[in-house]
Amino acid sequence: SQKIEQNSEALNIQEGKTATLTCNYTNYSPAYLQWYRQDPGRGPVFLLLIRENEKEKRKERLKVTFDTTLKQSLFHITASQPADSATYLCALLWYNQGGKLIFGQGTELSVKP
Amino acid sequence: EAEVAQSPRYKITEKSQAVAFWCDPISGHATLYWYRQILGQGPELLVQFQDESVVDDSQLPKDRFSAERLKGVDSTLKIQPAELGDSAMYLCASSQGVGGGTEAFFGQGTRLTVV
Repeated sequence: SQKIEQNSEALNIQEGKTATLTCNYTNYSPAYLQWYRQDPGRGPVFLLLIRENEKEKRKERLKVTFDTTLKQSLFHITASQPADSATYLCALLWYNQGGKLIFGQGTELSVKP
Repeated sequence: EAEVAQSPRYKITEKSQAVAFWCDPISGHATLYWYRQILGQGPELLVQFQDESVVDDSQLPKDRFSAERLKGVDSTLKIQPAELGDSAMYLCASSQGVGGGTEAFFGQGTRLTVV
């Protein structure tokens, strides 16, 4: 079965620095790799996605890379702010499984002023 | 802005009792997901619908859990009987589905406590 692994330890960084989160997966590469943000007590919120034939995607201060050879995605937040503190979830979607969407365990990010 | 509606927001039930959760996805979204999330973990997929059909329920404990989406719109997830280990957040999400947008929109969730 597919497994998704994210950094289990919380990531603590200083305001203004770049946060880098990792997502690794096993077995088959998905059609889409997505990143979500989750705040305590709330449902996840979609941030951005990258397709299997794309290497990099950017949206404002966010950047995602996707390496299907390494089976890894990196998620970067540049010029981080305390408001970026949250849990970030990696999710994989497979078209050949009817759009099955599987999540990793998430990485908690804390940005200190 | 369209949202996924879930109710109730919180539910406390005694073990061995029945409990049900309701989800109304964004209008026009063909795909509906139910997830269970234990504190400190990621969402675990329980069941996925495409319109009224179940696409995947491989992780649904079918001896006690059931889910339906009779008219391909809103959905109900039921647990009977509830066990202490079922205490978790139950999240519903919807998306346009394969061929459309794949991003999932989540509801606020139902926090279940089994005592």
